[in-house]
Amino acid sequence: GQNIDQPTEMTATEGAIVQINCTYQTSGFNGLFWYQQHAGEAPTFLSYNVLDGLEEKGRFSSFLSRSKGYSYLLLRELQMKDSASYLCAVREGSNFGNEKLTFGTGTRLTIIP
Amino acid sequence: KAGVTQTPRYLIKTRGQQVTLSCSPISGHRSVSWYQQTPGQGLQFLFEYFSETQRNKGNFPGRFSGRQFSNSRSEMNVSTLELGDSALYLCASGRDYSGELFFGEGSRLTVL
Repeated sequence: GQNIDQPTEMTATEGAIVQINCTYQTSGFNGLFWYQQHAGEAPTFLSYNVLDGLEEKGRFSSFLSRSKGYSYLLLRELQMKDSASYLCAVREGSNFGNEKLTFGTGTRLTIIP
Repeated sequence: KAGVTQTPRYLIKTRGQQVTLSCSPISGHRSVSWYQQTPGQGLQFLFEYFSETQRNKGNFPGRFSGRQFSNSRSEMNVSTLELGDSALYLCASGRDYSGELFFGEGSRLTVL
C-alpha cells in the first residue's frame, strides 16, 4: 500500500515563488506525478519524475528524491490563475501495464494580489 | 483531438438504486481508469481497464463494477447506492505505460 502526504492548504502572493511538498511511502515506486485541478474542473497533468532530480517545465519545476520518499512542486512568478489544487500521485509496481496512480488529498493553493 | 467524454455530467439517485456511468476515452487510448473524488478522501482509485480486461482494482466493495468494450469505451456501475457514494466520478484515459492520465469532466452523483 501507499501513504502520500501533502499540506492541505497554502497561500502565496502573486509574482512570488511557492514550493508544495509531497512525501510518500510505497513498496514499489515507479514514478511520481503532479496534477493541477481548478475548482469544478478535471485534473490536468503537470509533471512526471521517475529518476532523482529536477524536471523543469516553464514556470513549474518538480523535484524527486527516491531515497527520501520526497518530491516538491515549485511554481515561479505566480499568477492568479495558479489558484488551484495540486495533486501529488505515485505509481507503484514495475509490471507491464500498470496505470494505477495513488493520489494524495491535494494542496489547495490560493494566490493573493 | 476530442478529450475524454463522460456522461451523464450530473445525476441524482436515491438509496438502493443503481447507476451506470459512461466514459469515452481519447481516440487511440486503450487504458481507462476510474476514480472517485470526495472532499474528504481526495481521488480514490476504483479500477483500470485495458483492452477489455480489468488490470487493477482499488479497495472498493463489490457494489462497484466496471467493464470496457472493444472500442475502449468504458462503463462503471454502482448497485444498491448508499449516501456515502455521493461523489464526483472521474474517468481518465492514457497511453499505456506513460502514467500521464487525461481526465474527463466527471459525473457528479448525488444520492438522497
